[in-house]
Amino acid sequence: GENVEQHPSTLSVQEGDSAVIKCTYSDSASNYFPWYKQELGKGPQLIIDIRSNVGEKKDQRIAVTLNKTAKHFSLHITETQPEDSAVYFCAADSGGGADGLTFGKGTHLIIQP
Amino acid sequence: DGGITQSPKYLFRKEGQNVTLSCEQNLNHDAMYWYRQDPGQGLRLIYYSQIVNDFQKGDIAEGYSVSREKKESFPLTVTSAQKNPTAFYLCASSRGPGPYEQYFGPGTRLTVT
Repeated sequence: GENVEQHPSTLSVQEGDSAVIKCTYSDSASNYFPWYKQELGKGPQLIIDIRSNVGEKKDQRIAVTLNKTAKHFSLHITETQPEDSAVYFCAADSGGGADGLTFGKGTHLIIQP
Repeated sequence: DGGITQSPKYLFRKEGQNVTLSCEQNLNHDAMYWYRQDPGQGLRLIYYSQIVNDFQKGDIAEGYSVSREKKESFPLTVTSAQKNPTAFYLCASSRGPGPYEQYFGPGTRLTVT
């Protein structure tokens, strides 16, 4: 089955700087790569996703890049703000399997004032 | 107001008791999922259902049971056979199995003493 590795587990950046979180996956048949943001005590919420026919996608301060050859994808947050502090999860679909998504272990992003 | 709800938010039980966690969605989604979240472990799949009256085990199904009698509802029972049941439980739904966004509920924090 699919295996998703996520790094780093904790990331601390100064407010206004950029943050980058990286994930690798194992199943070359995977085609869908979402990113979720989870605030303390709440359920994860989708912030951006990308499909394998696209190399990059941007939404305001958030962007995701995908390298299918290397089987890795990254989340980029620019001009970080205090409200960006949360846990971020990457995920990948199981390449046609019915069990949905496989998630990375999460990155705790801390924005220092 | 469409969404996915879980109740209760906090649940306390004595060891040896079965407990059922509720999950309801009004998004008309076919697929529903249950995840367990522990610190540093990410989201681990317990059970999933692609359609009414059908469900499959995920990665950590031992000690859990589910039912899917209605499209809108996917309750999870944590049985006394689950060795370490204290955790944060998340329910999710998507329009179908495979590469689709999953919408998460707010979660139920279960504490067993």
